[in-house]
Order: sequence, then C-alpha cells, then structure tokens
Amino acid sequence: GQQLNQSPQSMFIQEGEDVSMNCTSSSIFNTWLWYKQEPGEGPVLLIALYKAGELTSNGRLTAQFGITRKDSFLNISASIPSDVGIYFCGRVSGGSNYKLTFGKGTLLTVNP
Amino acid sequence: NAGVTQTPKFQVLKTGQSMTLQCAQDMNHNSMYWYRQDPGMGLRLIYYSASEGTTDKGEVPNGYNVSRLNKREFSLRLESAAPSQTSVYFCASRTGQANTGELFFGEGSRLTVL
Repeated sequence: GQQLNQSPQSMFIQEGEDVSMNCTSSSIFNTWLWYKQEPGEGPVLLIALYKAGELTSNGRLTAQFGITRKDSFLNISASIPSDVGIYFCGRVSGGSNYKLTFGKGTLLTVNP
Repeated sequence: NAGVTQTPKFQVLKTGQSMTLQCAQDMNHNSMYWYRQDPGMGLRLIYYSASEGTTDKGEVPNGYNVSRLNKREFSLRLESAAPSQTSVYFCASRTGQANTGELFFGEGSRLTVL
C-alpha cells in the first residue's frame, strides 16, 4: 500500500522547548490532518490542511502542507506538560469514499 | 453531548469466541469507521461505511465483519477471535461532506484475546 512515514517515533523534551515532527508520503494527496491522542482517549483533530503550501496555526501549533503535496510538518512552540500525548498525521484518499489513514504516531513527553 | 459511544469499553475473550463491538453516534453523521490501535503501529483502518447501506474494507479487514445497522450505528464483529486481535478498537464518524476532514472518535474498546 501507499506508505505514510511519520518521524520521529518519540520525543522527550523539557517544558518550554519547541517541537517539530513531520510526515512524508510516497504519493501526493489533497488533504493532510494532524491529530492528538491523550492517554485513554480517542484522537482529536488539531489542524486540517487542504491546499499545497498552506500554513495554518492553532494557538501554539503550526502545521504546513508541503508544496510537493507529499509531506507535512507540525510545530509546537513553547511546550507545556499538557502537550504530552501521541501526535498522528493523517492523509485522505478515496475521493467520495473518504478514507483517512494515519502515520504511526509521534509520542511526545514533556518534562516539567 | 454523547458524540461517539462505544460498548463495551473492556472485554476479555478466549481464542475462538465471537463478539460484537457496538458503536453509535448522535451527530447525524453519514460516514463511520472502525480502527484498531497497536503499539508502534498507529491507527489502522479495518472497515468503513461512507454512507448508510454501504461498507468497504480498509487496511486490515481480515478476521472482521461489519454492519451499518442504520445511520447511527456501525458494529464490528469478530466471528472467531484470535490473540492477534488483541488491541484497542476505535470507532469514528464524520459528516460525509466533501473536504471535511474531522473524524470524531469514541473513547475506545480494549479487547484482550487469550
């Protein structure tokens, strides 16, 4: 199947540091999504990207849709302890049969 | 607001037993999805239903069946459970409108197969 590579697999940082994670795909897509999953919960949408080159912010989070349409990154500035969780990128395929498939996730740990 | 509700939240089965995971959403969404989550593997799509009356296979459908009972409910059935199906299962729903990326997830169902 089409591969979606997310990196890094895990990060352990100090409170206040900035964080960057990214996803790359072997194929082009029209939609990139970033989700966060907290322990014991289902994933929650953080940012959705629909256009190549699009840069979108949500508070301390910023995500960009790569110009090649094969990649996306998520940045978190000035991390805080509640940023802890697993961050997933997702890409949409299937046209009218909308399917969302995820990367393997980035586990973020923030040390107070 | 209930959102997406999954039952049961926890289940232990013996190999070969059958069970059904139930999912219901109260948001009038058209599309519903079943994922499984395993350590280091992320979330993998098992089956989805783009609209009432339709179902399609995802990445890992083997060993599972689904039923879109009505617009609200989408169940996942394991006919003969295997230890490899030990996982956390998530149901999700979406409005079904084009270019609307937000899937709303339930809290998950943790299944252990002995």
